[in-house]
Amino acid sequence: ETGVTQSPTHLIKTRGQQVTLRCSSQSGHNTVSWYQQALGQGPQFIFQYYREEENGRGNFPPRFSGLQFPNYSSELNVNALELDDSALYLCASSLLSSPYARYNEQFFGPGTRLTVL
Amino acid sequence: RKEVEQDPGPFNVPEGATVAFNCTYSNSASQSFFWYRQDCRKEPKLLMSVYSSGNEDGRFTAQLNRASQYISLLIRDSKLSDSATYLCVVNTLTGGGNKLTFGTGTQLKVEL
Repeated sequence: ETGVTQSPTHLIKTRGQQVTLRCSSQSGHNTVSWYQQALGQGPQFIFQYYREEENGRGNFPPRFSGLQFPNYSSELNVNALELDDSALYLCASSLLSSPYARYNEQFFGPGTRLTVL
Repeated sequence: RKEVEQDPGPFNVPEGATVAFNCTYSNSASQSFFWYRQDCRKEPKLLMSVYSSGNEDGRFTAQLNRASQYISLLIRDSKLSDSATYLCVVNTLTGGGNKLTFGTGTQLKVEL
């Protein structure tokens, strides 16, 4: 096991609602990345947090926002949910020596499966 | 053109076979490369990191060709337990920081 945990494991919401997903990083790691994985696709990068600061963002609208706490755990918030937001949301943690570190081995949590009705 | 491209497969091979997966990437500034394995409805697990021209770990060999922007994964003596989706991943440093881009994955089925 990677030591990365996510909650909840499953979630059902309706269109227009807001959701908060949580992630606890592996002990000793300082960086958390969030991904969205639709069925049959590879994970799509949402954003990364390094030492509580956003350190890179993918092509997701502003209604996807995040936070990293001093203990390096993290939250992903999604506002105004749409049907297409239904997916597996994955959190990955890593230990970066700097925001631009080349060595970015990431270890994933089990994911939160979000269904939007 | 997609940033990371893989043949989706599926590759159906007999136990004991050697199988190779290919991956191309579009951003020549990409710094480091990884192969992840993902079982059905599970999270991706890191299989290999590729920082220089290649890396070998038991039955698994990864190779990188920066000039051609091409990465490969070779699995020798396939086992039933190797059945999974293999994801090619590229790490690129951008102005905004660090970004991992995943391919869509190549599905492998190892059969008796």
